[in-house]
Amino acid sequence: GAVVSQHPSWVICKSGTSVKIECRSLDFQATTMFWYRQFPKQSLMLMATSNEGSKATYEQGVEKDKFLINHASLTLSTLTVTSAHPEDSSFYICSARDARGGENIQYFGAGTRLSVL
Amino acid sequence: AQKITQTQPGMFVQEKEAVTLDCTYDTSDPSYGLFWYKQPSSGEMIFLIYQGSYDQQNATEGRYSLNFQKARKSANLVISASQLGDSAMYFCAMRGVHGSSNTGKLIFGQGTTLQVKP
Repeated sequence: GAVVSQHPSWVICKSGTSVKIECRSLDFQATTMFWYRQFPKQSLMLMATSNEGSKATYEQGVEKDKFLINHASLTLSTLTVTSAHPEDSSFYICSARDARGGENIQYFGAGTRLSVL
Repeated sequence: AQKITQTQPGMFVQEKEAVTLDCTYDTSDPSYGLFWYKQPSSGEMIFLIYQGSYDQQNATEGRYSLNFQKARKSANLVISASQLGDSAMYFCAMRGVHGSSNTGKLIFGQGTTLQVKP
């Protein structure tokens, strides 16, 4: 399968600071990447669809100015949590769509656990 | 609207036995894809198996097979010869291929926690 790298895996920050999370497709190009948020014991909640070279598409209820997404290349998308607060503490996980083969399988990164103090 | 339902919050299976994790779906798309992912306690989401709605045969990948019953709109995951390392949360997901709002995004079920007993 394809490999998606996500960094950092853990981050602890002070309230009010910004945190950037990177998602890279290592062995394939991904015009589309996705960002999810997951609470303990729950399913994944799609936050936004990241499109290379264009603006991200956010799901209803997700603050665009709070969660900034940049997809500047075919292998990298970043999620920046701006002015983070304790309620933003969560598990964030990205995926990249592999369009080779026609099945368009989404491969996931290992996730980032964000703790805001 | 598309929907995925996993009715088993938790399952137990004895090591070396087979187990079936249920998944039903609802969609009006004529063409769609069904996926299963495994999420161990470490958090990573591991792709297991894919079934296209037009595939004639059930998908298989090693010890994983997908029991696809299109008329019943079910896509159950069968794990044969369970191993201790199979203990994890399992998610069923669906992607619509067509539709005005489709961006290729996945709709996930609520997940099933599988525990394999030694």
